[in-house]
This record gives sequence, C-alpha cells and structure tokens, in this order.
Amino acid sequence: KNEVEQSPQNLTAQEGEFITINCSYSVGISALHWLQQHPGGGIVSLFMLSSGKKKHGRLIATINIQEKHSSLHITASHPRDSAVYICAGSNYGGSQGNLIFGKGTKLSVKP
Amino acid sequence: SQTIHQWPATLVQPVGSPLSLECTVEGTSNPNLYWYRQAAGRGLQLLFYSVGIGQISSEVPQNLSASRPQDRQFILSSKKLLLSDSGFYLCAWSAGQATNEKLFFGSGTQLSVL
Repeated sequence: KNEVEQSPQNLTAQEGEFITINCSYSVGISALHWLQQHPGGGIVSLFMLSSGKKKHGRLIATINIQEKHSSLHITASHPRDSAVYICAGSNYGGSQGNLIFGKGTKLSVKP
Repeated sequence: SQTIHQWPATLVQPVGSPLSLECTVEGTSNPNLYWYRQAAGRGLQLLFYSVGIGQISSEVPQNLSASRPQDRQFILSSKKLLLSDSGFYLCAWSAGQATNEKLFFGSGTQLSVL
C-alpha cells in the first residue's frame, strides 16, 4: 500500500527555534510536494522536488529518494509560520493529480 | 500572473439538495485542473482531474460529478447531497502533470450537509 507518513503530528516551538518536519514514504516516489495550510483552510504550495534540496527564504526542503525520506526545515521560526504542513508524494505510474498525502503536521510557534 | 478563484467560501446545504461549486483560473491556458476534498481529520483526497475541456477523470466513486465547460472553468456538482459529502473542497491547477509540477490551490469551500 502506498503511504506517506509525517512526523511529528503536532509540534510546538518557541519563536526563533529551528524546526524540522519529516516525511517518509513506503514506495518509490518520483516527486514530493510540501504544502502549507493556514487556519482558514487555504493551501499554498511551498516546494515540489524530486532530488536534492530547495530553499526559499527561511524554508528548506530536502529529499533522499533512495532512503524514501524528505524533510522540511524552518529557520528562525516565527508565529506566522504556525500552520499545518503537508507532504504529498506522486509515485511512478500514478494518475495525474493523485498525489498520496500525509495527514499533516500542525505547527504552533509561540512568541 | 496566474490566479485561481473558488466560490462560495462556505455553504450549508440540506441532505438531498443539489450542489454546484465553481472554480476559475486566470492568467494561464490549458491548465490541469483538480478537485480535492479534505474530510475532518483526514488527508486530502483527489476527486476529479481534467487535462482539457470536456475531459474529466474520476478517482473516487461517489455521487459527485465534475465538468469543464471552458478551458479555465471547473465545476463540481451533485444532484443530491449526502451527509458524507460534508468537508472542505479545494480546487487546484497545475501547468502540467501534478506529479511533476507545483500545484496552486483555491481558497476552498467549507461544505456542511445537514
């Protein structure tokens, strides 16, 4: 069964802390998405990566295809980073748009 | 720049009533379009996707349907809503296959079926 597992499910941090959210998947995935869902429900795509590392501002995403693992890092965290972070993988042969979604990591950054 | 509009933002409907959610994309041509649902406490689930006008693929059997009457318009419908249709519905688009391209999401519709 294709699965995407995220950890931790919930994460509370103090402002300024370095944060890591992990994503592991059970089968080979050709690409992995990191999404951010704010309390209002809107979702923003942060990264889509198939190898290596990508950086945007204070956010860094890495992926190791061989180890079937990806991480999302947030440096110098801020209360506005509070959101649910979702990873989603697309596996070889999967139909378009049918990403396999993790259940999300709820991050709360306290001032 | 590209934008995606989805409406309404919230909707409360009685069981057995019809449904129509609309999504439009601006600033791009021939996008891939998607409808996702997020049930309470669960992950996102793909309902439908479309690679072109009139082309709809369904991923999950249900009493919902989708249509794409124009290149940048995607509609989610139901003739008779069920309680289990409650959830958060998201429209999204990508320039190509979502397996290789970033997804851009609408703001979502919170549907409560009572």
